[in-house]
Amino acid sequence: DVKVTQSSRYLVKRTGEKVFLECVQDMDHENMFWYRQDPGLGLRLIYFSYDVKMKEKGDIPEGYSVSREKKERFSLILESASTNQTSMYLCASSFRYQETQYFGPGTRLLVL
Amino acid sequence: AQTVTQSQPEMSVQEAETVTLSCTYDTSENNYYLFWYKQPPSRQMILVIRQEAYKQQNATENRFSVNFQKAAKSFSLKISDSQLGDTAMYFCAFISNFGNEKLTFGTGTRLTIIP
Repeated sequence: DVKVTQSSRYLVKRTGEKVFLECVQDMDHENMFWYRQDPGLGLRLIYFSYDVKMKEKGDIPEGYSVSREKKERFSLILESASTNQTSMYLCASSFRYQETQYFGPGTRLLVL
Repeated sequence: AQTVTQSQPEMSVQEAETVTLSCTYDTSENNYYLFWYKQPPSRQMILVIRQEAYKQQNATENRFSVNFQKAAKSFSLKISDSQLGDTAMYFCAFISNFGNEKLTFGTGTRLTIIP
């Protein structure tokens, strides 16, 4: 079974803090994704990566950056957290781009 | 840009009944994939069913089946003999078969199965 894990289930941070969210997959998947999930908006893609050190912006990259130094690990960075970044963050991975994405459990981030 | 519309924000049905969740999408592509994902309360999002647009036959997975109407750009999910464990958010999603197009999600339908 594919396993995607995220470093935290719940996180509380202060405005202006730098926040790191980590995602690890164990299936040697090429592609990894970071989504933000908000009620009534579905899932919106923040960034994705199709290979180590490669990244592409999604629909809502502003205020976020990513890092993929190893194939199995994809990090989402909030350089200076703001209250409008309070949300559920979901990581996913897939072998090929059009194939099924496997999701992590999510990190619920609250920025005060 | 592709769009995915789920017009039912919330639904509820009695246990053991059949329920259909609707999804429509807009695209000019001919080759693409459609998905239904399920997100149970406080649990991981998982794939329910996947449909390849070039396949005429509707995908099925145990109690879950789809009604894929390519011309109408409709992709509804039918859950038969609904169970309490089917309570979840259900997301419809679309991805083109070309290039690095992103997976586009609908806004979701919250389904509650009533005992």
